[in-house]
Amino acid sequence: GQQVMQIPQYQHVQEGEDFTTYCNSSTTLSNIQWYKQRPGGHPVFLIQLVKSGEVKKQKRLTFQFGEAKKNSSLHITATQTTDVGTYFCAGAGGYQKVTFGIGTKLQVIP
Amino acid sequence: EAQVTQNPRYLITVTGKKLTVTCSQNMNHEYMSWYRQDPGLGLRQIYYSMNVEVTDKGDVPEGYKVSRKEKRNFPLILESPSPNQTSLYFCASSYRDRGYEQYFGPGTRLTVT
Repeated sequence: GQQVMQIPQYQHVQEGEDFTTYCNSSTTLSNIQWYKQRPGGHPVFLIQLVKSGEVKKQKRLTFQFGEAKKNSSLHITATQTTDVGTYFCAGAGGYQKVTFGIGTKLQVIP
Repeated sequence: EAQVTQNPRYLITVTGKKLTVTCSQNMNHEYMSWYRQDPGLGLRQIYYSMNVEVTDKGDVPEGYKVSRKEKRNFPLILESPSPNQTSLYFCASSYRDRGYEQYFGPGTRLTVT
């Protein structure tokens, strides 16, 4: 079945440093979504990528979808303490089947 | 306010005692799903539903049942809970035409002793 691998599992950065998390799917995806889960909270939708090679930005966050639609990345520029949390990618193969990556837990050291 | 609600939020129970976790959404979403979240394993889909009376298995359906008799509700049933079902459970819903951007409930922390 469809598998979505996400690395790294944990990342500690100094405030102001950049951060990147990567996702790779075993199959071609129809779209990929990114979610953020704050400690003690629930996942919250950040963005969806649909097109091959798509790049989207939200302030300091940059999301990319690979040309083959099998990989994606989330890059945060100049991290802040408010960026703390776990970032998940979620790949949709068929429109009803969504597979989440294991998540990357980001810790920002002030 | 658009939201997904789950009840109970916390539950401690014993092995074998049937329980139901309710999930309700007020956004008229067609798609609903249940996930469990365990340390080191991320979010794993248990069951999902494309619409009323349409359900299908996710990646880890063993030991769980669901039903979708009304569009807004999608209860998760554990007929005979076991300790390996101790987990944090999330219900989620989405519009099909939104590309499945999912709205998550607050979570239910279940402990089975």
